[in-house]
Amino acid sequence: GAVVSQHPSRVICKSGTSVKIECRSLDFQATTMFWYRQFPKKSLMLMATSNEGSKATYEQGVEKDKFLINHASLTLSTLTVTSAHPEDSSFYICSATVGRQRPYEQYFGPGTRLTVT
Amino acid sequence: GESVGLHLPTLSVQEGDNSIINCAYSNSASDYFIWYKQESGKGPQFIIDIRSNMDKRQGQRVTVLLNKTVKHLSLQIAATQPGDSAVYFCAEIGMDSSYKLIFGSGTRLLVRP
Repeated sequence: GAVVSQHPSRVICKSGTSVKIECRSLDFQATTMFWYRQFPKKSLMLMATSNEGSKATYEQGVEKDKFLINHASLTLSTLTVTSAHPEDSSFYICSATVGRQRPYEQYFGPGTRLTVT
Repeated sequence: GESVGLHLPTLSVQEGDNSIINCAYSNSASDYFIWYKQESGKGPQFIIDIRSNMDKRQGQRVTVLLNKTVKHLSLQIAATQPGDSAVYFCAEIGMDSSYKLIFGSGTRLLVRP
């Protein structure tokens, strides 16, 4: 149980375009989802916390107008990278918590490799 | 700000030997610590966790030790196998209600055949 999927797994886009990444909890309802960014050989950096039905909370230094997050349902959160540039190329990973009863448990998706040309 | 760090960026061990991966954390008030394994091109995979009221917890072939006095966390892997080759991250849960994970910088474990 507690499987999180991401789509697409890899995406290549041209500079200036926008790309949407989906994060789904497949067998549970996720009240909270987190979005991370990871550069090569680096650790995960939290970008934002997404709660169903409310606005995402962004970490300091993360541009909310560039990284649009929508958590429309208890099983789906989306991250849209708007007007992408080569420096946005990265590995984006989402995670989801099972619920308030076990808020410490985060289950991670397989990640999305974004390459901006 | 607070951070979680690791002493060794790369650890190379012989297959069958035991591995020890270390982590130092800075927030003495953190209540919960987790070790994750990340294989290339994949998301982190939960290995084992420990609460601050414990100093040791064992799983299958893995043991986590917590020393709150020196704010040190370690992951021990017994009889290391080639499939254990990956990057290992420690993480701590922030003590506010957001339950945000603070990740360490990671250690790459290489298992020699």
